[in-house]
Amino acid sequence: AQSVTQPDIHITVSEGASLELRCNYSYGATPYLFWYVQSPGQGLQLLLKYFSGDTLVQGIKGFEAEFKRSQSSFNLRKPSVHWSDAAEYFCAVVTTSGTYKYIFGTGTRLKVLA
Amino acid sequence: EAGVTQFPSHSVIEKGQTVTLRCDPISGHDNLYWYRRVMGKEIKFLLHFVKESKQDESGMPNNRFLAERTGGTYSTLKVQPAELEDSGVYFCASSPPRTGPYEQYFGPGTRLTVT
Repeated sequence: AQSVTQPDIHITVSEGASLELRCNYSYGATPYLFWYVQSPGQGLQLLLKYFSGDTLVQGIKGFEAEFKRSQSSFNLRKPSVHWSDAAEYFCAVVTTSGTYKYIFGTGTRLKVLA
Repeated sequence: EAGVTQFPSHSVIEKGQTVTLRCDPISGHDNLYWYRRVMGKEIKFLLHFVKESKQDESGMPNNRFLAERTGGTYSTLKVQPAELEDSGVYFCASSPPRTGPYEQYFGPGTRLTVT
């Protein structure tokens, strides 16, 4: 079955520290992968996406993610976290048979310490 | 350009009552999706409209849920009668009129609490 796993429910980092949020997927075909962020009171905002090509993808707000097919992973990284990055982050894969619908992970809530 | 809007932002109802959630997609977006997040769980797909037609409603939990999109513009999701397990955040998303695994634009969600 198609699934997305985000092993870390909560992560706390200090401002200025580096960040890596883990995402593993299970999908038979070529995956189309996304990272979204939800800040309080806001909708889900797209950070970045991977469809094909370069496996290191750059996104908005200084985020990047690396697609590793051998590990079925699409981890999100940021070299230096800002207090405004505190939010919930969702990894998703989109199905390509029938409706193009998202399968989401359970989300990782990021707390940033001043 | 206005984003996806949802109304209300929060609704508290008693078990057995009816609630209607509304979603206004981005203008010109033919594709409209409903998703739901039950507390502590992942966001799950409910259904997909293309204009006014239901393309996929495989995620609808049961027949207490009814989604409509009259005229291919805004959509409503009615829950009747509501049960405790219906509590959660209901997200709406839309995407432009083209096929493919493209980005979906999400609204802020409606938090439904059934007591």
